[in-house]
Amino acid sequence: AQSVTQLDSHVSVSEGTPVLLRCNYSSSYSPSLFWYVQHPNKGLQLLLKYTSAATLVKGINGFEAEFKKSETSFHLTKPSAHMSDAAEYFCVVSEYDYKLSFGAGTTVTVRA
Amino acid sequence: SQTIHQWPATLVQPVGSPLSLECTVEGTSNPNLYWYRQAAGRGLQLLFYSVGIGQISSEVPQNLSASRPQDRQFILSSKKLLLSDSGFYLCACGVTGGAIRAYTFGSGTRLTVV
Repeated sequence: AQSVTQLDSHVSVSEGTPVLLRCNYSSSYSPSLFWYVQHPNKGLQLLLKYTSAATLVKGINGFEAEFKKSETSFHLTKPSAHMSDAAEYFCVVSEYDYKLSFGAGTTVTVRA
Repeated sequence: SQTIHQWPATLVQPVGSPLSLECTVEGTSNPNLYWYRQAAGRGLQLLFYSVGIGQISSEVPQNLSASRPQDRQFILSSKKLLLSDSGFYLCACGVTGGAIRAYTFGSGTRLTVV
């Protein structure tokens, strides 16, 4: 069975400082992993995905994530936060083609 | 690329009334389709998924049902809404191509049951 744990329910950073969103997963197989962002009253937007290629994945808007199998982690980072990064972020794992498991989400607040 | 049309964007319904949320997909054929719900302060929960016309799998027992009358149409329904059905409902489409799995999400429907 697959599952996802997002270690922080809320992260607050100052504009221009780094952002780290932590995600650990549990999977019996080689998973695909995703990070999605959801802005208020909007649908989900894909930031990046890992599908057994390069372990360091670059996404949109300056985000990147590193797949570490030994640590079963897929943490999301951005070197410099922008006000527009304030949103909710979901880590997602997929073992099979037809099922996704979502983490509980991390709300990011960016201070001016 | 796939596009998902989901409507309505917001909905306020009284307790006991029926519900019908519709989702249609463009740009692909034979997709896997999903309904998710996000309750306030919680993550996304898979409600239903479908791998083909008329094929529906339910993940959690609840007051809702789903149907897939056409390849690119997925409908979420309820005969009588409960207060606990309030939430943000997302339709999603999954497309496989070799090792690449791509998922596209609709813009969501915010349902408030009063």
